[in-house]
Amino acid sequence: DAKTTQPNSMESNEEEPVHLPCNHSTISGTDYIHWYRQLPSQGPEYVIHGLTSNVNNRMASLAIAEDRKSSTLILHRATLRDAAVYYCILRDIGGADGLTFGKGTHLIIQP
Amino acid sequence: ETGVTQTPRHLVMGMTNKKSLKCEQHLGHNAMYWYKQSAKKPLELMFVYSLEERVENNSVPSRFSPECPNSSHLFLHLHTLQPEDSALYLCASSQDPGPRNEKLFFGSGTQLSVL
Repeated sequence: DAKTTQPNSMESNEEEPVHLPCNHSTISGTDYIHWYRQLPSQGPEYVIHGLTSNVNNRMASLAIAEDRKSSTLILHRATLRDAAVYYCILRDIGGADGLTFGKGTHLIIQP
Repeated sequence: ETGVTQTPRHLVMGMTNKKSLKCEQHLGHNAMYWYKQSAKKPLELMFVYSLEERVENNSVPSRFSPECPNSSHLFLHLHTLQPEDSALYLCASSQDPGPRNEKLFFGSGTQLSVL
């Protein structure tokens, strides 16, 4: 699977939007973009995934660049419970089963 | 509550012990996974099962032995572990393996300490 690059950490304020970037310049046309997050003392939790078009769900929005070399996870109104490590993962349609997690972005929410 | 239950939550074992980790999913999924999360390291995929057959084994030492007796249960049998095997062991399930349906649901993990 192609590699992703995320900032090690980010800070944001409660009740403000958060934009978490992910660079994946070597993405192939068949790579899906997945986002997960891991709250303290818990297993990772699915957030959202997409292929080409922007995606929205109740948790977040995923904005995918036109050339697909980057994407942004958008939390529209952060709460303290959104403090977690956020992982951006590429999953090739023809690759091995299972997701390969990187180091992710540690999101800190200030009250 | 994710629908994936792992027991025990914590386990301390000596290097000569034999123990087993248990995972149960109540989601009707066909694929189950074992991951290892060591301190300050990314999650490492260990094993993948699809319809009770092992489909991935990522060069995991033989002291870790998985078992999937049915699509709802997954075990990780441990024997003669090393202190460096101390980590959080996470189980996950998905409807099927493969990028379209690989939405993983994780348990809370078993925190393992090897003395």
